[in-house]
Amino acid sequence: ETGVTQTPRHLVMGMTNKKSLKCEQHLGHNAMYWYKQSAKKPLELMFVYNFKEQTENNSVPSRFSPECPNSSHLFLHLHTLQPEDSALYLCASSQIAGGNNEQFFGPGTRLTVL
Amino acid sequence: RKEVEQDPGPFNVPEGATVAFNCTYSNSASQSFFWYRQDCRKEPKLLMSVYSSGNEDGRFTAQLNRASQYISLLIRDSKLSDSATYLCVVNLDRGSTLGRLYFGRGTQLTVWP
Repeated sequence: ETGVTQTPRHLVMGMTNKKSLKCEQHLGHNAMYWYKQSAKKPLELMFVYNFKEQTENNSVPSRFSPECPNSSHLFLHLHTLQPEDSALYLCASSQIAGGNNEQFFGPGTRLTVL
Repeated sequence: RKEVEQDPGPFNVPEGATVAFNCTYSNSASQSFFWYRQDCRKEPKLLMSVYSSGNEDGRFTAQLNRASQYISLLIRDSKLSDSATYLCVVNLDRGSTLGRLYFGRGTQLTVWP
C-alpha cells in the first residue's frame, strides 16, 4: 500500500453507536491530521499530531476522540454522534507539522449519522 | 470573518480557454500558500505552492500579493481534465500550533468540449 489509506470508506451509524475511523500513512511522515468536510463548507481542521503528540484540538466536541499510537497510525473514535456530524472525514499526513510541508490526504470516510 | 475567501464560481469554460481564480486571506501573518485540487468525491491533492515571486508549472501560474493579501491561479489552454474544484489554502503557524491550514470553500471549474 502506498500513500495515505483510510478505513472504512463509508460508515452509517446510529446516534448511540460507537465506531472508530482508521488512518494509516506509508510515507514515513511524522505529522498526521484529521479534517472534516461538510457540504458547502470549507475543510475544517480537527486535530493535529506531530511526532505522536497532539498539538491541536480545534474546539472539537468530546464525542470525537483521536488516538495516535505511532507516527503511521491515527484513529478517530466516535460515540453518541449527532446527525449534523454526517460529513466526509479526511486524514492527512506531512513530513512534519507546519511550514511549507505538503499535506497528503487519504480518500476519506463518508460518515452518515442516523 | 473567514480566514480564506474565494470566488464562489462555478466557472464553465470551453477547452482552450484561459481562466483565473482569485483568493484573499485575512491574516497578514500567514506564512505559506497553496492551491489544492479536489476532484468530485475524491480527496484534495496539492496542485502547487505559491511563492512571493510568482511561480509557473506548465499551464498553471500562481501569484501572491502579500500587501493586498491576495492569491491567484491562472490556467491557460484549459483541458477537460482540469474540471475540478480548486481550493485556496493558507498556512498559519502560531507558536506551538503548527500545521494549521485554512481552506477556502473552493471554486468549481467545468471545462466543456
